[in-house]
Amino acid sequence: AQSVSQHNHHVILSEAASLELGCNYSYGGTVNLFWYVQYPGQHLQLLLKYFSGDPLVKGIKGFEAEFIKSKFSFNLRKPSVQWSDTAEYFCAVSYGGSQGNLIFGKGTKLSVKP
Amino acid sequence: DTEVTQTPKHLVMGMTNKKSLKCEQHMGHRAMYWYKQKAKKPPELMFVYSYEKLSINESVPSRFSPECPNSSLLNLHLHALQPEDSALYLCASSQEGPGSPRGYTFGSGTRLTVV
Repeated sequence: AQSVSQHNHHVILSEAASLELGCNYSYGGTVNLFWYVQYPGQHLQLLLKYFSGDPLVKGIKGFEAEFIKSKFSFNLRKPSVQWSDTAEYFCAVSYGGSQGNLIFGKGTKLSVKP
Repeated sequence: DTEVTQTPKHLVMGMTNKKSLKCEQHMGHRAMYWYKQKAKKPPELMFVYSYEKLSINESVPSRFSPECPNSSLLNLHLHALQPEDSALYLCASSQEGPGSPRGYTFGSGTRLTVV
């Protein structure tokens, strides 16, 4: 079955630490890949997306992600986190071209200590 | 206008009530969605409207009834809900169909409590 896995349920970091959140998907065909962020009490915001081209994509707020097709992975990274990055992060995938539904991973809660 | 607007932001309803959630976007997006999000869980897809036609119904109970009056508006009619239906209901839209490579734009949600 098509699925998205996020490895970390809760990550706790100090400010200025580097961040990497794992995301793996289960299907080897055409995929569109996304990372969304949900700050406390706020709506889902798109951080970045990949559907073709350069596998290293840069998003808002200094985040980036790398698509590694051979590993079915799309990990999110940030060199130096800030307290304001405290939020829930969701990896999402749509499979199979234009009719594929957007499926979310279970999410990773990031807590950044000031 | 780059937003998806949902009303109301909060709703408390009894199990015998009938209420509606509303969603609006003016970005010219051709697909709109309803998601349900329980606390500390990812959003789960409920309904998809693509070009104003209901294309996917993810086996949602009939007490939830979607309606798409036009390409900018999406409603979710609620009737005889159960307490376990309490959740954050999210509306989203995309420029193309469900597999849009541009991603979805989400609204702020309606926090629904069924008593």
